[in-house]
Order: sequence, then C-alpha cells, then structure tokens
Amino acid sequence: GNSVTQMEGPVTLSEEAFLTINCTYTATGYPSLFWYVQYPGEGLQLLLKATKADDKGSNKGFEATYRKETTSFHLEKGSVQVSDSAVYFCALNLPLNTGNQFYFGTGTSLTVIP
Amino acid sequence: EPEVTQTPSHQVTQMGQEVILRCVPISNHLYFYWYRQILGQKVEFLVSFYNNEISEKSEIFDDQFSVERPDGSNFTLKIRSTKLEDSAMYFCASSVGQGNQPQHFGDGTRLSIL
Repeated sequence: GNSVTQMEGPVTLSEEAFLTINCTYTATGYPSLFWYVQYPGEGLQLLLKATKADDKGSNKGFEATYRKETTSFHLEKGSVQVSDSAVYFCALNLPLNTGNQFYFGTGTSLTVIP
Repeated sequence: EPEVTQTPSHQVTQMGQEVILRCVPISNHLYFYWYRQILGQKVEFLVSFYNNEISEKSEIFDDQFSVERPDGSNFTLKIRSTKLEDSAMYFCASSVGQGNQPQHFGDGTRLSIL
C-alpha cells in the first residue's frame, strides 16, 4: 500500500539551530512527494515538492531531496526561526492514482524558542 | 493569490443532526477533495471529486456522507446524521490537475459534535 512515516514529535529547537525532520514512504509506483506546513489555527500550506528521484524541492530556506534508493524525503533547514514553529506534514501522491488523494504522515510539531 | 475558502470556521452540532460544510475552491481548479483531521491524528482522505462525480472515496466516507457541487462555485460536504466520532477538523482542497500537482487547502472547519 501507500503510506508515509514521519519522525515522532514534538521537536523543540533553539533559534538558528539546524532542523531535520525525517520522512520515509512506501508507494506502489513513482510518487510525487510534498511537504506541507500548518501554522496554528490555519490550514495546510504547500512548503515544497519534488516529482522525481534526485529532485530537490526548496522554499523559504527549507530543502528536501527525493531519495528513491532510501525511499526518503527528509526536510532540512540550516537555521530555524521562531516563525517556523508549526506542524510539518510529509505527503505523497501517485500520478496514476484514480482518486488523486494525498497520503499524509502524522505530522511533526516544531517549536522554535528564542 | 487565489485561495480555497471554507465556511464556517467552527460548527457545533448536536449528535444526530445534519451538518453541511461549505468550500469555495480556486476558480480554475478541476479536482476537489475533502480531508479530515481528528485532533492529534493524521490528515485522512475522505473523497475526491472531478467532472461532477466522485472519483474516489475512503472507507471513512460511508453512506452518512455526501458531496455536491451545486452551482459551479461551491463544493459542499454533508454529514446526514452526525456522530460523536465525526468531531474533527475538515479540510477542503482543490488542484488544477493530478499527480505532481499540489493540492491547495482551505483553513478548515472545526466540527464539534455534542
């Protein structure tokens, strides 16, 4: 089946620390991979995506590289800010998926303290 | 930037009552979705809708649920007879295409069943 596994949270970091949130996937086929972010009280916002192996998605200082050999799409940021505090969701979609539904991980809560 | 809008932001309903959650997808998008997120759990797919019909639904989307696009603008989710376990955040999403196209999410409707 199709699924996404994220590292357990919550994660608490000091400002300017390095962030890694692990994400691995299982998919029947060649998925597109996404990271979404959910700020408190808001909906899911697309952070970045990668559609094929070795692609790197990047946005707002965040990066993730599609690793087919390890079926991973880990999210990284070199220096986090307080404003990055949110819940981060890894997700996949399949190009021939009839319903086009996304499969989400459980989310990882990040708190950045000054 | 165009966005998906959902109303109401919070709905409180007595168990057994019908509830309708409303969404206005992005105007040039063709695919529409409902997801739900029970507090502390992952975002779960409910249903996808394309070309005025359901293209896929999950096990959660039983006979108590229905969707409709009544006027070419709104996209609604109806729960016929609500149960306590329907309490969740419900997210509407839309996308211009499938596969590697991101889905754009609304801010959600928090449904509380008493």
